[in-house]
Amino acid sequence: GDSVTQMEGPVTLSEEAFLTINCTYTATGYPSLFWYVQYPGEGLQLLLKATKADDKGSNKGFEATYRKETTSFHLEKGSVQVSDSAVYFCVYSSASKIIFGSGTRLSIRP
Amino acid sequence: KAGVTQTPRYLIKTRGQQVTLSCSPISGHRSVSWYQQTPGQGLQFLFEYFSETQRNKGNFPGRFSGRQFSNSRSEMNVSTLELGDSALYLCASSLAMGDRRGNEQFFGPGTRLTVL
Repeated sequence: GDSVTQMEGPVTLSEEAFLTINCTYTATGYPSLFWYVQYPGEGLQLLLKATKADDKGSNKGFEATYRKETTSFHLEKGSVQVSDSAVYFCVYSSASKIIFGSGTRLSIRP
Repeated sequence: KAGVTQTPRYLIKTRGQQVTLSCSPISGHRSVSWYQQTPGQGLQFLFEYFSETQRNKGNFPGRFSGRQFSNSRSEMNVSTLELGDSALYLCASSLAMGDRRGNEQFFGPGTRLTVL
């Protein structure tokens, strides 16, 4: 069946480090893919999305490319900041279901 | 534009009781989805309502039910509460226009339910 597998956390990095959070999926159709973020004490909010293969979503310095050949949607940022500390969710959305990854807690040290 | 609001924000119940949670979507949004978030199971989809009809349903027992009103407000009901129902219940709304797969969901702050 359809599923989303995301990198286990927690992930701790120093400020200005390069970030990758891996996300892979299995799909029976052509889903859209999202990254949502949950900052401490706040609700979930959309970070970026891609609706078809080879699309690249980007926002706030974060990027992710929808790779159909590797069924992946890895989240990357070239230089993280303390304010990026949050929980990140990879999300798969099809016409009939939406599946959240388990979430990756990211902590950035000053 | 006001965001998604959920009431109450916190709730304490005992086993066997029932509870009703409320969600008011962003004005103009016709789709409302409900999720359960727990440390052990993560975020799990409960159901989605669109134009007062349940459109999709997750893998939860029949004790979990919901409905949507003509103004798009939605309620979720859990009957015969169990300890394992303690969780943060999140509501999300979306425009649900066009290709639904690409719709952004806007989340409320959640209702934290504790079952004793």
